[in-house]
Amino acid sequence: KAGVTQTPRYLIKTRGQQVTLSCSPISGHRSVSWYQQTPGQGLQFLFEYFSETQRNKGNFPGRFSGRQFSNSRSEMNVSTLELGDSALYLCASSLGTDAYEQYFGPGTRLTVT
Amino acid sequence: DQQVKQNSPSLSVQEGRISILNCDYTNSMFDYFLWYKKYPAEGPTFLISISSIKDKNEDGRFTVFLNKSAKHLSLHIVPSQPGDSAVYFCAALSEQGTYKYIFGTGTRLKVLA
Repeated sequence: KAGVTQTPRYLIKTRGQQVTLSCSPISGHRSVSWYQQTPGQGLQFLFEYFSETQRNKGNFPGRFSGRQFSNSRSEMNVSTLELGDSALYLCASSLGTDAYEQYFGPGTRLTVT
Repeated sequence: DQQVKQNSPSLSVQEGRISILNCDYTNSMFDYFLWYKKYPAEGPTFLISISSIKDKNEDGRFTVFLNKSAKHLSLHIVPSQPGDSAVYFCAALSEQGTYKYIFGTGTRLKVLA
């Protein structure tokens, strides 16, 4: 069974631009969560989608948004990029019901200059 | 406020010995805990989990202990192997029935051959 895939793996953007990251979950998984990882901060929860609906949300500004499609693939968008948005963005998929284990993709390394 | 804390940023252990990674939490409502391992340039990999109704869960060389009264959990790796060298994250499920996780900042384990 294929794992979680994320595209692109690396991205360099300029302040003020916007960016869209993509995540394809494990087949059969209906839940996709997004995390931001920065040095010393661990993984910060952004939001979780289940069956195309945002089910949970972390404490991030409205510049961070996401969506999920009917095939469970998910996208995350960050508008008006700031230098502090430079981070590794990870997505994780899970069944979404009855099992709490999440399976992570390799991440997208975003650098904002 | 960091609700899940891993107070040791790094740990070195000799091959064959026991590795003990610690995690403290502040929210008594957490009722499910997970440990993940992360290698550089890869996403975290699920290792082992424990429900708050248990105090111990074993899977091969990995054992997780939960002390609810102390709000403390630990991961024991016996025997430690050089391939275990990675960053370990503990995570707590924020609310029962949701997929909103709070992660610790990680502990870098180095197993010396």
